[in-house]
Amino acid sequence: SYVLTQPPSVSVAPGKTASVTCVENYIGSRRVHWYQQKPGQAPVLVIYSNTDRPSGIPERFSGSNYGNTATLTISRVEAGDEADYYCQVWDSSRDLGVFGGGTKLTVL
Amino acid sequence: QVQLVESGGGVVQPGRSLRLSCAASGFTFRTYGMHWVRQAPAGGLEWMTFISSDGSYKYYADSVEGRFTISRDNSKNELFLQINSLRPEDTALYFCVRDRAGVSFDYWGQGTLVTVSS
Repeated sequence: SYVLTQPPSVSVAPGKTASVTCVENYIGSRRVHWYQQKPGQAPVLVIYSNTDRPSGIPERFSGSNYGNTATLTISRVEAGDEADYYCQVWDSSRDLGVFGGGTKLTVL
Repeated sequence: QVQLVESGGGVVQPGRSLRLSCAASGFTFRTYGMHWVRQAPAGGLEWMTFISSDGSYKYYADSVEGRFTISRDNSKNELFLQINSLRPEDTALYFCVRDRAGVSFDYWGQGTLVTVSS
C-alpha cells in the first residue's frame, strides 16, 4: 500500500503563503485530495483531484501534483486557516483509501 | 443540506461488539457509496471501509478485515458498522463519510466516539 509522507508541522506568518507537501514515489500519477481539520471539528475537503476546489472553498487554496510530490498551497494565509491538513489517495489496485500522517499548520 | 449523524459509540470492554449507525439526509442516499473513517485520540485519519451505493461491493482496510462489517439500509437512509472483538487500539472517533467519485470523501459527519477499556 502507498505511504504518503507529510511534514508534521508548517508555520507561516499571516498574509504569507503556506505550502504543505505530500510525498510518495509515484504520486504524480495519482489523484490527490486534501482535507482541512480544525480542532474539535470534522475534516473538510478543500482540494480534490490534485487541483480542483469544491464549492465554497476560497480561491486562496490551490493544489499541484508533479513527480513524487503533491502540494497544497494556501495564499494570503489567515488566522482561521490554522488547522491540520491531510492528503489522501485511493489505491485502486487494492481498493482502499490512504491518508498522509497530517500536517499541523500554525499561523504565527 | 447534506447531513450525516453518527450514533452508537460508547465505552465497551475488550472482546465485546458494537454497532455504529449513521443517519443520512439532504441527498439521495441510495445513489452514493459510503465510507467509515476513524481517528484515534490525538491521531491522524485512518480509512476503514467502503460500501457501494447498492451494497454489492464492500472494501476493508487490512487492519480490520474480518472484524468489521459495513452494511446499509437504503430504505431508511442508514449506514452501519458492526465491530466485533474490540481491541484497545480500536479506540477512536468514527466518522461516517460520503464518497465522491469513488476516490475521495466530500461530506463528513461529526463522529461517534468508541472507547475500548476494561
